[in-house]
Amino acid sequence: EVQLVQSGAEVKKPGESLKISCKGSGYSFTSYWIGWVRQMPGKGLEWMGIIYPGDSDTRYSPSFQGQVTISADKSISTAYLQWSSLKASDTAMYYCARPRSTLGYYGMDVWGQGTTVTVSS
Amino acid sequence: SYELTQPPSVSVSPGQTARITCSGDALPKQYAYWYQQKPGQAPVLVIYKDSERPSGIPERFSGSSSGTTVTLTISGVQAEDEADYYCQSADSSGTLGVFGGGTKLTVL
Repeated sequence: EVQLVQSGAEVKKPGESLKISCKGSGYSFTSYWIGWVRQMPGKGLEWMGIIYPGDSDTRYSPSFQGQVTISADKSISTAYLQWSSLKASDTAMYYCARPRSTLGYYGMDVWGQGTTVTVSS
Repeated sequence: SYELTQPPSVSVSPGQTARITCSGDALPKQYAYWYQQKPGQAPVLVIYKDSERPSGIPERFSGSSSGTTVTLTISGVQAEDEADYYCQSADSSGTLGVFGGGTKLTVL
């Protein structure tokens, strides 16, 4: 079964760092892009960026460039999303997702269960 | 930055047809994708490449494209179709993804 399993919920203070993970299984991890999507409480989906684990080619939405870092460790089939200094406005659900085709990085048909990040003093 | 525009809400009675639009300047050049999201759940892809339906998605879901607007059509709407629907596409370069603001479908 193809699946993405994300790390558990996090509660952090402003200014702290954080790295959440997304482990792929049941498919060739290095052949598909993996994207990250933010959903703030009660709001819509936001495309943050995407990485190709095969060569670590990474693209960021302008809204998130410089705010987060996307990385991957292909040896353990895991993608990451990290912050160096969290803000209260980073409070959200974060999803990782994989596209249905190896030929592009849109059309996500495999999603992780989501990781809730709460940033509060 | 590039934006996709969706109506905030659409309401239909059971058995009727729901149409949800998504507008964006790059849509004539870039494919659109549609997702359904129910409360507390991850999104589900219901249409890809403007009009293709993934396996397991009911035939009542269809997609179309005309110029700068793409449309998700749900024929014979059922109560279980009540959800938020998001379109997704790319900027004109195809490099950066974007989601529409989402449309809440209410089944009356």
